[in-house]
Amino acid sequence: DAGVIQSPRHEVTEMGQEVTLRCKPISGHDYLFWYRQTMMRGLELLIYFNNNVPIDDSGMPEDRFSAKMPNASFSTLKIQPSEPRDSAVYFCASSPGTGGRQYFGPGTRLTVL
Amino acid sequence: KQEVTQIPAALSVPEGENLVLNCSFTDSAIYNLQWFRQDPGKGLTSLLLIQSSQREQTSGRLNASLDKSSGRSTLYIAASQPGDSATYLCAVIDNQGGKLIFGQGTELSVKP
Repeated sequence: DAGVIQSPRHEVTEMGQEVTLRCKPISGHDYLFWYRQTMMRGLELLIYFNNNVPIDDSGMPEDRFSAKMPNASFSTLKIQPSEPRDSAVYFCASSPGTGGRQYFGPGTRLTVL
Repeated sequence: KQEVTQIPAALSVPEGENLVLNCSFTDSAIYNLQWFRQDPGKGLTSLLLIQSSQREQTSGRLNASLDKSSGRSTLYIAASQPGDSATYLCAVIDNQGGKLIFGQGTELSVKP
């Protein structure tokens, strides 16, 4: 298996623009997670899905952030409008079951100017 | 609210030394505990997973222990090598089995 795939790997955009991050989980994994990593706050869970259904979105910072999982092999994290404080590395991870080992993608480094 | 703390924040050792990384958590009601490795500019690699009912897990030169009642875990690395240089992160999963809560990590440097 190719592992968790994320795109793009790097994104540079200007404040106010819409940003869409994409993730393809490992085939057969029921759980998908979106994390954000910054120097100040470390790794934070934003939202996770089980069988394509959002379970916990309490980590989503504000209404500018939204996530979808239209099918078992694809998820998006959208920021609209983007702000400089959204600059971070965004990771997607997937897991085969409840409390299972989580497998991380390579991340998307987002820079908002 | 669960909080995970890792000590030390950074560690530098000569090659060949055995070393211990520490992790503590405030709420003992966890599903499991996981140790990850992160290389600069890369994603996280899962190293070990300890279920809440287990005391330890081993993989090669790595051994992780869990004392749930005291809220502590250690990662023991035997005979360290320069290739072990990375940031090591500890994370606990809540009792619902979903949410991973991470510590800030220990940045390890192994000098040749």
